[in-house]
Amino acid sequence: EPEVTQTPSHQVTQMGQEVILRCVPISNHLYFYWYRQILGQKVEFLVSFYNNEISEKSEIFDDQFSVERPDGSNFTLKIRSTKLEDSAMYFCASSAPGGREQFFGPGTRLTVL
Amino acid sequence: QKEVEQNSGPLSVPEGAIASLNCTYSDRVSQSFFWYRQYSGKSPELIMSIYSNGDKEDGRFTAQLNKASQYVSLLIRDSQPSDSATYLCAVATRSGGYNKLIFGAGTRLAVHP
Repeated sequence: EPEVTQTPSHQVTQMGQEVILRCVPISNHLYFYWYRQILGQKVEFLVSFYNNEISEKSEIFDDQFSVERPDGSNFTLKIRSTKLEDSAMYFCASSAPGGREQFFGPGTRLTVL
Repeated sequence: QKEVEQNSGPLSVPEGAIASLNCTYSDRVSQSFFWYRQYSGKSPELIMSIYSNGDKEDGRFTAQLNKASQYVSLLIRDSQPSDSATYLCAVATRSGGYNKLIFGAGTRLAVHP
């Protein structure tokens, strides 16, 4: 069964460093999303992406964040200058054309020291 | 502020019993409703979606939606220890295309032998 994949599974970085989290959505899906979950808290929407542009972003998704689909398969989330409070699980999700259901990848645990 | 509310639990049920999980949402224009299961340290796994008032059954799971009361529920019949997890209710305001999910904090279910 097709699934969303994410790399790396765990990323440790120093405060102020740039990180790139990578996702490969399900192959025929057209809508892509990033969510995050701080330990013990709710899953929070960050951004949705369709047709090579951002469809919607949350107030969390400030100028330090960016997304890109550099080729036909990868979808990336970049954090330019990480803060301690960016430590969280980051989940990529995708949905099919005309579909409402979103399927999540296994997540990347980001630890900012 | 659009909210999705769930009882945090833990909801403890004996093996073989019916587990009943509830969710309320604040945005009346919500169109799509989802239940995800999340094991500790893992990503959300979609188990049910429901879009119209009434019941929807899939194996041991039944989702119920009442838009007038802004209420969604999930019944798990013949509960098994492997069902022990946190169940996340998620709501979206669009019926198609890109779709921001708003999550509740989750209800922790514990099924004891």
